[in-house]
Amino acid sequence: SQELEQSPQSLIVQEGKNLTINCTSSKTLYGLYWYKQKYGEGLIFLMMLQKGGEEKSHEKITAKLDEKKQQSSLHITASQPSHAGIYLCGADITGNQFYFGTGTSLTVIP
Amino acid sequence: GAGVSQSPRYKVAKRGQDVALRCDPISGHVSLFWYQQALGQGPEFLTYFQNEAQLDKSGLPSDRFFAERPEGSVSTLKIQRTQQEDSAVYLCASSYLSGVEELFFGEGSRLTVL
Repeated sequence: SQELEQSPQSLIVQEGKNLTINCTSSKTLYGLYWYKQKYGEGLIFLMMLQKGGEEKSHEKITAKLDEKKQQSSLHITASQPSHAGIYLCGADITGNQFYFGTGTSLTVIP
Repeated sequence: GAGVSQSPRYKVAKRGQDVALRCDPISGHVSLFWYQQALGQGPEFLTYFQNEAQLDKSGLPSDRFFAERPEGSVSTLKIQRTQQEDSAVYLCASSYLSGVEELFFGEGSRLTVL
């Protein structure tokens, strides 16, 4: 969807390195969601952010939503091979539709 | 089961065939969404149901695509006269409330059109 742009499109990191994935919208987001997808599998919910400036963490993954609620970042600390997959941001932009970002493919090299 | 169930998981169709993909949402979930995910792309919105009402079908790519949810639970996505460009994973998601809350996704139905 052109509603949400993710960057980078793909990322290859050495195990143990930190990384950041960004998700940007031109419109104010009602809610911003992060999902992880492994090839051939469904989407796994990671986190949901709703308030401007909100930050949430789960294990080594931290997600933030900016004050204007138009940009979110997902940060992984000390990456592990188990973090590999496709990370998708998703957002409610219109109130009853849910759009996905373009996705970021993450490879973690042991 | 406790999650969103989709069937079949894999479908191979000859060009021109009709296919039907089924989604069993989590019991009691009001909202149901269908998405199309091409290889290497993010999921693209197709259509949205609130109970049995199809409130938004703006993402359906052509009139060959049709979705229904007659009793407000199970939904079927039908594709008529399949084309090669229809090859994709079709994801179904449901949420407890109206509109968008946390979406629970099925594992998808992978359609390959030869």
